[in-house]
Amino acid sequence: AQSVAQPEDQVNVAEGNPLTVKCTYSVSGNPYLFWYVQYPNRGLQFLLKYITGDNLVKGSYGFEAEFNKSQTSFHLKKPSALVSDSALYFCAVFTGRRALTFGSGTRLQVQP
Amino acid sequence: DAGVTQSPTHLIKTRGQQVTLRCSPKSGHDTVSWYQQALGQGPQFIFQYYEEEERQRGNFPDRFSGHQFPNYSSELNVNALLLGDSALYLCASSLAEGYVDEQYFGPGTRLTVT
Repeated sequence: AQSVAQPEDQVNVAEGNPLTVKCTYSVSGNPYLFWYVQYPNRGLQFLLKYITGDNLVKGSYGFEAEFNKSQTSFHLKKPSALVSDSALYFCAVFTGRRALTFGSGTRLQVQP
Repeated sequence: DAGVTQSPTHLIKTRGQQVTLRCSPKSGHDTVSWYQQALGQGPQFIFQYYEEEERQRGNFPDRFSGHQFPNYSSELNVNALLLGDSALYLCASSLAEGYVDEQYFGPGTRLTVT
């Protein structure tokens, strides 16, 4: 079965510092991986996806993610965090059933 | 460009009752998926509709059913509500031909079962 794991419930970072939100995957075949962000009382917003090609994927709002096949990871990164980046982040994998399987989420807290 | 819309925003029901949630997909999208997000958890896939048929289904009981209309909008019905059905229900739309396209999510319907 396709699955993703987010090992950190919460990540704290100071504004202006780089941030990393971790995700590892377990997939048979080629992994199709996604990152979504959820603000309070809102639905999920798409940030970026990895299908194939370059291991560094650039997405919305200055976020990027690094696909690492040997470590089965797809970590979300941003060079300089903003207070407004504080939200709940979900890693997801596209299953053969054309659905998304989500991780448990990581709450990002950016302190001013 | 209208995004995904859902109604109602909030709903309170009693155990044993039935509920219907509604979703209008993003303009130009033809596929609708429903997810259940319990408090503190990631969304879980319920089912997906395309061409007015249920195409895929997650690990949810038959109490959860749905429908897609010719205009691609969709309904999620839950019968015999349980306390454990309390959650945020998210609708997502996409294009069938874009096999691995991102799904666009609506703001969700918060269902509380008492």
